[in-house]
Formats: sequence, structure tokens, C-alpha cells
Amino acid sequence: GQQLNQSPQSMFIQEGEDVSMNCTSSSIFNTWLWYKQDPGEGPVLLIALYKAGELTSNGRLTAQFGITRKDSFLNISASIPSDVGIYFCAGPQITTGTASKLTFGTGTRLQVTL
Amino acid sequence: DVKVTQSSRYLVKRTGEKVFLECVQDMDHENMFWYRQDPGLGLRLIYFSYDVKMKEKGDIPEGYSVSREKKERFSLILESASTNQTSMYLCASSLVRSPLHFGNGTRLTVT
Repeated sequence: GQQLNQSPQSMFIQEGEDVSMNCTSSSIFNTWLWYKQDPGEGPVLLIALYKAGELTSNGRLTAQFGITRKDSFLNISASIPSDVGIYFCAGPQITTGTASKLTFGTGTRLQVTL
Repeated sequence: DVKVTQSSRYLVKRTGEKVFLECVQDMDHENMFWYRQDPGLGLRLIYFSYDVKMKEKGDIPEGYSVSREKKERFSLILESASTNQTSMYLCASSLVRSPLHFGNGTRLTVT
């Protein structure tokens, strides 16, 4: 299947710092999704992007759909301890019936120090 | 609020055992999915289903099968568990072309 590569793989930051992470693909996506997984829980959708060049915010989170449609970026401003977790990008590949086959990235693990 | 419930949080099984992982959703979603999560590899799709009794292979179906006899329940079956199937398993459900809602996962250890 297709691969989505995320970088960095993990990061330690201090509370209050801004965070940037990205996701790249070898093929084009028409939708980019960003999920966050809190420790011990399943991933939860943070932001959805539907158009190349689109910039969308959700509180302190801002995500961008790359112009080439092969990448996406997520920024977190003024990080706080509850930002700890794993962040995944995802994109739908093909649709069978009514289900979209979602490919997930390799994940970026964020740890915040006080 | 959507609830996706996975029957076990932790499971320890022996090599060669038949293993059932159960998932139930309470929002009448058409689509259900099984992923496995491994460090550095992210989430990889094993199987998905878009209707009762319908199933489609994901990216890594080898060694697994699934069953969807009722709309709310999607089971993942390891016919003969092996140590390389030690992993975190995540179930998800969704409406048509809508975001996935995940359960909290089952951490399976095969010894």
C-alpha cells in the first residue's frame, strides 16, 4: 500500500514552545486528515483539509494542505502538557462501497517538558 | 457521542492459539475497520467492512480474517496466533465518507 512518512518521528519540547511536523507521500491525496492519539486511547480527528493550499485552524492547531498535494503540515502554538501524544496524518486512498480506505502516517510522538 | 468498544484492553495468548478480538459500535455506522499499530510504522489497515457480511482486505490481511454478522459488531480473528502478531489492535467505525471513530485498542501479546 501507499506510505505516508512523518517527521520528526519524535520530539521533546518545552511547555510554551511552538511545534511543527510534516507528512509526505509519494502519491497525490485529495484529502488530508490529522489525528491525535492520547496515551492509552484511540486516535481522534483534529483537522481535515480538502483543497490544495488550504490552511485550517482548530484552536492552537493549524494545518496546511501542500500545493503539490503530496504533503501536509501541522503546527501547534504555545504547547501545553496535554499536547502530549502521537500525531498521525492520514489520507483516503480508494473507496469501496461506502468505505474509504484510509492510509495513516508513521506518527510523530510529542513529549512536553515543563 | 459515538462509542466504539473493544472487548479486551489487554490479551496474552500462546503461539498457535485461535484469537478473537471483538469490536462493537453503538451509532449504526455502515463502515468498520481493523488496524494494527506498531512503533515507527503507524497504523496499518488489516481489513474493513462497508456492510453486514461484506469485507475487504486492507494492506496487511495475511494471517487474519474477519466476521461481520451484525451491523454493530466486527470481529478480527487470528486463526493461529504467531509472535509477529504481537501488537496494538485498533477498531474504528464511520458513516459514509465521514471521519473514523476509534476504540481504545487491544494490546495483544503472543508468547
